[in-house]
Amino acid sequence: GNSVTQMEGPVTLSEEAFLTINCTYTATGYPSLFWYVQYPGEGLQLLLKATKADDKGSNKGFEATYRKETTSFHLEKGSVQVSDSAVYFCALSQYSGAGSYQLTFGKGTKLSVIP
Amino acid sequence: DVKVTQSSRYLVKRTGEKVFLECVQDMDHENMFWYRQDPGLGLRLIYFSYDVKMKEKGDIPEGYSVSREKKERFSLILESASTNQTSMYLCASSSAGTGAYEQYFGPGTRLTVT
Repeated sequence: GNSVTQMEGPVTLSEEAFLTINCTYTATGYPSLFWYVQYPGEGLQLLLKATKADDKGSNKGFEATYRKETTSFHLEKGSVQVSDSAVYFCALSQYSGAGSYQLTFGKGTKLSVIP
Repeated sequence: DVKVTQSSRYLVKRTGEKVFLECVQDMDHENMFWYRQDPGLGLRLIYFSYDVKMKEKGDIPEGYSVSREKKERFSLILESASTNQTSMYLCASSSAGTGAYEQYFGPGTRLTVT
């Protein structure tokens, strides 16, 4: 079956530090890949996505590139802010029939950014 | 903007009670999902629905049922709540068709069963 593995947290960084959260996946075929973010007390929000190999998703200074050869989708940001403190989830999406796509999530990585 | 709303942010129920969690989306999405979120386990799919009155089991359906009588509304039912169902419950919706459409999430319901 499909699976997503992401680095375990928590991760604590100082403001303006470089962020990398590793994500690798196992899937048959060619899934689409996503990063979701969950701020304290809220539901998940889509941060970025990539639908085919070598695509780069980007949003709010975050980037991730779909690497088929290494089955990876690592999240990066050049300079984190305190407001980036949240839990980040890597996910893949594959067709499950009847027009429905299911998401398989990693376990989440909690990021804390300190001033 | 897509909006997914859940009936309660916090809920406290007693063991053995029947519990209803309601979810409503306003974007005419065909697909709706119920997840539970637990520390260290991430999100796990309980049930999903791809059409009115249609439902499919997810990874952890035991102890739960669902109802989808209208396109915009998807209910999660705990027939007899137990303490191991204490969790955060998240509802999501997405479009159907070709292409990988992202899911849009509600704010979650934190359920405590005592």
